[in-house]
Amino acid sequence: AQSVTQLGSHVSVSEGALVLLRCNYSSSVPPYLFWYVQYPNQGLQLLLKYTSAATLVKGINGFEAEFKKSETSFHLTKPSAHMSDAAEYFCAVSHNDYKLSFGAGTTVTVRA
Amino acid sequence: DTAVSQTPKYLVTQMGNDKSIKCEQNLGHDTMYWYKQDSKKFLKIMFSYNNKELIINETVPNRFSPKSPDKAHLNLHINSLELGDSAVYFCASSRSPDTEAFFGQGTRLTVV
Repeated sequence: AQSVTQLGSHVSVSEGALVLLRCNYSSSVPPYLFWYVQYPNQGLQLLLKYTSAATLVKGINGFEAEFKKSETSFHLTKPSAHMSDAAEYFCAVSHNDYKLSFGAGTTVTVRA
Repeated sequence: DTAVSQTPKYLVTQMGNDKSIKCEQNLGHDTMYWYKQDSKKFLKIMFSYNNKELIINETVPNRFSPKSPDKAHLNLHINSLELGDSAVYFCASSRSPDTEAFFGQGTRLTVV
């Protein structure tokens, strides 16, 4: 069974600082990997996805993620946090099996 | 135009009642989903449909009955509502099982 672990349920960063959100998956075969963002009282919006083309994936709003097979990781980063980045972030995996399995989510707060 | 729209956005009802949530996507996708987000923001797949056919029923109680009249619609009917059904329900769609899912804005169901 596949699972996703997001390390850190809450991350607090200063405006302008690096944002690093960790995601590890457990699977013998590299899955499809996604990062989603959820703003308060809204649905989930796709930030970026990994589908085996390139290991460094660039997404919207200045986010990027790097797939590392040896570490079974897909960590999300943004060089400089903005106040508007405050939200809930979810890592998700799929094995072409008609469902996304989500991590528990990481709440990001940005300090002025 | 909203890609995945679900109605209503908020639903407050008494225990024992029956309610429905409607979902429509205008993306031309073949696959649609229902996810449940609990009070701790954990997201879990409930149902997956492909071309109107049920693919996944993730051990959801029989009180929950999805219906897909056509590829663009996936409705969720819930009988005999219980307090534990209170959650946010998200409809989503994707072009295929291995592509990203697009989510609706969610329906916050509160059972009192």
